[in-house]
Amino acid sequence: EVQLVESGGGLVKPGGSLRLSCAASGFTFSSHAMNWVRQAPGKGLEWVSSISSSGTYIYYTDSVKGRFTISRDYAKKSLYLQMNSLRAEDTAVYYCARDLNTGMIYLWGQGTLVTVSS
Amino acid sequence: NFLLTQPHSVSESPGKTVTISCTRSSGSIGSNYVQWFQQRPHSAPTTVIYEDNQRPSGVPDRFSGSIDRSSNSASLTISGLKTEDEADYYCQSYDDSSRVFGGGTKLTVL
Repeated sequence: EVQLVESGGGLVKPGGSLRLSCAASGFTFSSHAMNWVRQAPGKGLEWVSSISSSGTYIYYTDSVKGRFTISRDYAKKSLYLQMNSLRAEDTAVYYCARDLNTGMIYLWGQGTLVTVSS
Repeated sequence: NFLLTQPHSVSESPGKTVTISCTRSSGSIGSNYVQWFQQRPHSAPTTVIYEDNQRPSGVPDRFSGSIDRSSNSASLTISGLKTEDEADYYCQSYDDSSRVFGGGTKLTVL
């Protein structure tokens, strides 16, 4: 079965760190760009970061540049998001999402909730 | 970068047809494919349209997508509305360095 399973969410204090993971299965992980997309409570979808199939090209939305780092491990077929200097406004459900072809989001995980609060 | 603008909400009766628009603020709508996602309450998004007008397997043919270069917009049309279609719908496109989502449209089937 083709699927993405996120983990690593939780409650963290402002200024803290958290590492999200996304385990991929059922498809050739190395052939697809991957993304993190978040959704704040009651709000719409917001693209956070992307990494190309080769890992060469990495992009971030402006609000997380310098604080978040996306990476991927081909042996483990996993995607990661290292989140540092977390703020209250980073509170959201974080989704792992796979491109069909570059730029075209197609497959979604079930999401993991990150809550930044003191 | 560019923006994708959607109506905040639409409503229609069961059995009818509804169209949700997605207007690109700059650059041509035809320069990058548009995807559409359905998100039911408390669930993850799922893809209902990709590459402007393609349906994933399992998505009923009541769902269709199109683009209109004259209005620089994409549209999602759902015909024969069912109560189960009630959800939030998001369009998505991209450029060289980012993915862009529309703000979402809440579809009410009443």
